[in-house]
Amino acid sequence: TQLLEQSPQFLSIQEGENLTVYCNSSSVFSSLQWYRQEPGEGPVLLVTVVTGGEVKKLKRLTFQFGDARKDSSLHITAAQPGDTGLYLCAGISSNDYKLSFGAGTTVTVRA
Amino acid sequence: EPEVTQTPSHQVTQMGQEVILRCVPISNHLYFYWYRQILGQKVEFLVSFYNNEISEKSEIFDDQFSVERPDGSNFTLKIRSTKLEDSAMYFCASSDYGEGPQHFGDGTRLSIL
Repeated sequence: TQLLEQSPQFLSIQEGENLTVYCNSSSVFSSLQWYRQEPGEGPVLLVTVVTGGEVKKLKRLTFQFGDARKDSSLHITAAQPGDTGLYLCAGISSNDYKLSFGAGTTVTVRA
Repeated sequence: EPEVTQTPSHQVTQMGQEVILRCVPISNHLYFYWYRQILGQKVEFLVSFYNNEISEKSEIFDDQFSVERPDGSNFTLKIRSTKLEDSAMYFCASSDYGEGPQHFGDGTRLSIL
C-alpha cells in the first residue's frame, strides 16, 4: 500500500485568506484525485491530475501534480465559509487500480 | 449527473449475523470498488471488481467478505458472521476505466451490536 501523507491535519483561517493543503508520498502515482467529504456523506470528486507538473483550476481552487508524480497540492484563494470541509487526496499506482487515501485535512473558514 | 447509490444508509446488526450492503454503480461504469472507513480513520480499500470477478483485494477482505454482481445494475458486499470491529462506513465506488476517476456513493453506516 502506498502511503500518502497530508498536511496540515487541521487548518483554520479567516474568510478571504488563502490556504494550501499538501499531499506527499515516496511512491509514484499514475494519477491523483482530490475529494471533499462532508460528515455522513461519501467523498465527492473534485479533480483528477494525471501528468507530472499538471495544474488544474476549479474556480478558486488550484490543484498541482508534482513533476515526479509523487506529490500534489491544493490551493484555495480567498477562502469562503462554504469551503469548510474535509479534503482528501487519493492516489492510484501504476500497478493496480485501488485508491490509497491520505488521512485528510479538515479546513475551517471563519466568517 | 449520474451517481452511485447505496442502500441502506444505516444498518444495525447483532454480532454474528450476516449483512448485505447494496450498491448501484453509475450505469456505464465497468470497474467497481468497496472501501471502508472506521470512525476517525482513513478510507481503506477492500476490493475491486471487473468483468464479473475480483481483480484485487486487501488483507482486510478475508473469507468473511464476498462481493457479487447479481444482475446488470447491483453490486453487493456480503459480510458473514459480523464482528464488533466491522462497524464502519462502507463506501461503494465505480469508474469507467481502470485508472479512471472513482465516484463514490454516500455510504452505508454499519453498526454491529
